[in-house]
Amino acid sequence: EPEVTQTPSHQVTQMGQEVILRCVPISNHLYFYWYRQILGQKVEFLVSFYNNEISEKSEIFDDQFSVERPDGSNFTLKIRSTKLEDSAMYFCASSKSGTGINQPQHFGDGTRLSIL
Amino acid sequence: AQSVSQHNHHVILSEAASLELGCNYSYGGTVNLFWYVQYPGQHLQLLLKYFSGDPLVKGIKGFEAEFIKSKFSFNLRKPSVQWSDTAEYFCAVYRGSTLGRLYFGRGTQLTVWP
Repeated sequence: EPEVTQTPSHQVTQMGQEVILRCVPISNHLYFYWYRQILGQKVEFLVSFYNNEISEKSEIFDDQFSVERPDGSNFTLKIRSTKLEDSAMYFCASSKSGTGINQPQHFGDGTRLSIL
Repeated sequence: AQSVSQHNHHVILSEAASLELGCNYSYGGTVNLFWYVQYPGQHLQLLLKYFSGDPLVKGIKGFEAEFIKSKFSFNLRKPSVQWSDTAEYFCAVYRGSTLGRLYFGRGTQLTVWP
């Protein structure tokens, strides 16, 4: 069964540094998402992306965050200047169409981001 | 504000016991509902989903869930759990008015003793 893949599995970064988290969605999927889960808290939506633009973003997704689909396969999340509170597990997901049209989201294994 | 509540944070059962995990949400409009499972060291996997129709939905591995609209609930059930069901279970809600955003509950850790 095709899977969403994320790299790296664990990223350790100094506070203030830029970090890029990478995802390869399932190949025939058109909608892409990033979520994060701070330790002990809920999985929280960050952003959805379709047709090379952001469809929706949450209040967490401020100017420090950006997403990009640089080629036909990768989907990246960039944090420009990391803060301690950015430490979390970041999940990428993809779906064939918008979730409301009977298509669930498929998740990757996550990238654990640790900010020192 | 939209919220999804999973009241059981950690459930411990013996094999063959019956399971029911609660999920309630606070949004009154059209919703799609999901249960995801995360086995140790693995990614979130879809267990089952409700979009419309029969409110009793069956998923993989013998799980089922019932959507009760009047109670804003979507509880997960399994008549007889196995040791291999040990995992974290997440309820998630999609609101019809958004473009794919899922709202997750905090998760319930299920531990099954052999």
